Amino acid sequence: EVQLVESGGGLVQPGGSLRVSCSASGFTFSIYAIHWVRQAPGKGLEYVSGISSNGGSTYYADSVKGRFTISRDNSKNMLYLHMTSLRAEDTAVYYCVKGVQSHVGFDVFDIWGQGTMVTVSS
Amino acid sequence: QSVLTQPPSVSAAPGQKVTISCSGSSSNIGNNYVSWYQQFPGTAPKLLIYDNNKRPSGIPDRFSGSKSGTSATLGITGLQTGDEADYYCGTWDRSLSALYVFGTGTKVTVL
Repeated sequence: EVQLVESGGGLVQPGGSLRVSCSASGFTFSIYAIHWVRQAPGKGLEYVSGISSNGGSTYYADSVKGRFTISRDNSKNMLYLHMTSLRAEDTAVYYCVKGVQSHVGFDVFDIWGQGTMVTVSS
Repeated sequence: QSVLTQPPSVSAAPGQKVTISCSGSSSNIGNNYVSWYQQFPGTAPKLLIYDNNKRPSGIPDRFSGSKSGTSATLGITGLQTGDEADYYCGTWDRSLSALYVFGTGTKVTVL
């Protein structure tokens, strides 16, 4: 079964840092682009970041550029999102999402993890 | 924040049909494929339609998608109580300030 399991969410103070992780199983992780999508409480979906299959290309939404870093370890089937300078508006459920091709652009989001909640508050 | 506009809610009786519109621009819907996602409360979104009108394995043919110009439409026929959920459209955007954009979301209610 294709599965994505996020972890690492929690409560962090404004200006703090946090790393969320995504463990993949049931498919050949190293050949697909992977993305992060977030959803603030009671709000809609927002694309955050994407990384190509080999990690060579990364993309970020303007709202997180310069503060978030996406990375992957294909030997461990793991995806990461390192978040710094966190703001209240970063409070959301963060979903790890599998693509159907190796590159980020124009990908299709076919499998979603269950999400991990990040709360930024003092 | 969302650049794709959807109606906040639609409703119909069981067995009826509903359509959900998704309006965008030439930088997104007008020049890219559209996907649709279904989300039940407290759960992750699920891919319902991709490439405008294709259904992933396991998605019943009661769900259909179409695109014309800068707008897309999701149709649900033979409405069931289990279809009550939020539905989002999404597509890539070719403008400098956006990557992938989602619609504002539509709540489907089965009367």
